[in-house]
Amino acid sequence: SSELTQDLAVSVALGQTVRITCQGDSLRSNFATWYQQKPGQAPVLVIYGENKRPSGIPDRFSGSRSGNTASLTITGAQTEDEADYYCNSRDISGPPQFAGGTKLTVL
Amino acid sequence: QVQLQESGPGLVKPSETLSLTCAVSGDSMSSFYWSWIRQPPNKGLEWIGYVYYSGNTNYNPSLKSRVTMSVDSSKSQFSLRLTSVTAADTAVYYCARQNYDVFTGSYYFDSWGHGSLVTVSS
Repeated sequence: SSELTQDLAVSVALGQTVRITCQGDSLRSNFATWYQQKPGQAPVLVIYGENKRPSGIPDRFSGSRSGNTASLTITGAQTEDEADYYCNSRDISGPPQFAGGTKLTVL
Repeated sequence: QVQLQESGPGLVKPSETLSLTCAVSGDSMSSFYWSWIRQPPNKGLEWIGYVYYSGNTNYNPSLKSRVTMSVDSSKSQFSLRLTSVTAADTAVYYCARQNYDVFTGSYYFDSWGHGSLVTVSS
């Protein structure tokens, strides 16, 4: 099966824009889904279907894809956005798979 | 708004069977996939598998030989059994609803339980 990979950690200044990326061959034919997880809490869906936001997710969160790379962009990062972010997609053979996660720090 | 709640023993002995149940409330179980996902301490997420409301299942190949999932729609709950556990199975176990976006063909987990920590230790 193919793997999904993310940077371990990313930082952003308060109010600035940050992009969190996810790479994998499966992303050439499948869209990524993105989850936010804060310490001690369950993950929360923030982006699905490449760039759809569930109700309650601020519009500063957006998703995109180019080739084998999916991106989660936060435009105007806030203190409350500090969290781990996980990319998820189908494996080439079908089952869902998660990348290792990116720890976002808001400075 | 669907809500999910995991329940089960927090401590399981090595070589024994881990059993968890997820109670679903606020919506019907029909037409959805119901998944289990786990997260070892300070590590990432791992999809274990899903059970469809009809009872069909699909498991992570890495765990397939040890996993059984079932659903009881009449009780609005679904279950996980993981046999022959070792310390490597120590994790927070989440149940989640797996939804499907017909426009993009994407699966996504739109509702999660709070998680249940299961420790494997003698």
